[in-house]
Amino acid sequence: QKEVEQDPGPLSVPEGAIVSLNCTYSNSAFQYFMWYRQYSRKGPELLMYTYSSGNKEDGRFTAQVDKSSKYISLFIRDSQPSDSATYLCAMSTVETSGSRLTFGEGTQLTVNP
Amino acid sequence: GAVVSQHPSRVICKSGTSVKIECRSLDFQATTMFWYRQFPKQSLMLMATSNEGSKATYEQGVEKDKFLINHASLTLSTLTVTSAHPEDSSFYICSAPGLGVDTQYFGPGTRLTVL
Repeated sequence: QKEVEQDPGPLSVPEGAIVSLNCTYSNSAFQYFMWYRQYSRKGPELLMYTYSSGNKEDGRFTAQVDKSSKYISLFIRDSQPSDSATYLCAMSTVETSGSRLTFGEGTQLTVNP
Repeated sequence: GAVVSQHPSRVICKSGTSVKIECRSLDFQATTMFWYRQFPKQSLMLMATSNEGSKATYEQGVEKDKFLINHASLTLSTLTVTSAHPEDSSFYICSAPGLGVDTQYFGPGTRLTVL
């Protein structure tokens, strides 16, 4: 069983839709949770990070963590064609924070104009 | 934000040759850097942790004699794929941790194609 599970998609939505991306994990030692965006043939860029249960908002993006269910989500409001990319969740433990990341498989998102 | 560069961005080589990929932290020092491999439509898989001034730490299943890592300075790590074969064709990405627990900066990646 993978430590981090993420539906690879692909996910296709119309412009302006609300997008929900999710990951589940099995290692209760994970304490830091990140979302990365990766455009085709580029390196990942950090979008959001959280370390506590609850919601964190940044513009059109909201990261949600539910440690009791071992479930994290990224919501994108008013999605734009420029949001089309692969979204990767990543996690680390207290011991490996900032260094060893465990990634989900990534969800490929296409926002259609 | 901090920037990590990689060179080359793309390389095509013949089977049996060696290829060197450079990873540089441009405006910060990195005593540790990470090398990942990503196959098409798959996630990033950590290959090894590069440590400045000491030997790299390899993940299970990664051949250290095939993937040579040298962390020569606080801003440069190199990955050399020795005796490359077509199955080594992949997207290689390096990263370096920032100052906080939330930051790890990724390079733009190097696409290796072995003919």
